[in-house]
Amino acid sequence: DQQVKQNSPSLSVQEGRISILNCDYTNSMFDYFLWYKKYPAEGPTFLISISSIKDKNEDGRFTVFLNKSAKHLSLHIVPSQPGDSAVYFCAARGGYNNNDMRFGAGTRLTVKP
Amino acid sequence: EADIYQTPRYLVIGTGKKITLECSQTMGHDKMYWYQQDPGMELHLIHYSYGVNSTEKGDLSSESTVSRIRTEHFPLTLESARPSHTSQYLCASSDGTADTQYFGPGTRLTVL
Repeated sequence: DQQVKQNSPSLSVQEGRISILNCDYTNSMFDYFLWYKKYPAEGPTFLISISSIKDKNEDGRFTVFLNKSAKHLSLHIVPSQPGDSAVYFCAARGGYNNNDMRFGAGTRLTVKP
Repeated sequence: EADIYQTPRYLVIGTGKKITLECSQTMGHDKMYWYQQDPGMELHLIHYSYGVNSTEKGDLSSESTVSRIRTEHFPLTLESARPSHTSQYLCASSDGTADTQYFGPGTRLTVL
């Protein structure tokens, strides 16, 4: 039962342009959402998060948008840099077990110079 | 930023061997987790602990076992490794109030 879905396995953008990574979820009880970034041979690193009481959270070049009615969130990276090339995981927490974190399968972002 | 360590980073082992994957964190976090991830797939929670002497199974069934004798240490053991156990194993921790989990670098296990 995959409760968090990232339907695009890969995304390629030009340096300086916007990268938009998407994530959908099915469990309406999720109340906290996170994005993690993962480089090869390393563990995921926390990037940015958003609570369900907000619809936008911004941190430098990274902005996460949450649309609760559509059960959809997205991560915007502006401007994209080659160092942003990594796998990005969407995660959601909440539900009956409030500490249970569910992860998407990840989207591999490639930023071309 | 949490400091969390996993050893070994890579392990290739034969079928039937007993293995222990180590995970340690220096932040004093109460909560620790083990995830299993296959290439291109989501992370699946296989074990978690909310404190010393507390361990629970995650949503993905696993033949592995864990222990939490010390706050900073959360080892995972496979009594008899099989090729189906080949995967990446990621350890994470978080404190009692934060929502963010911090991950170690992972152990890539290959069972021949």
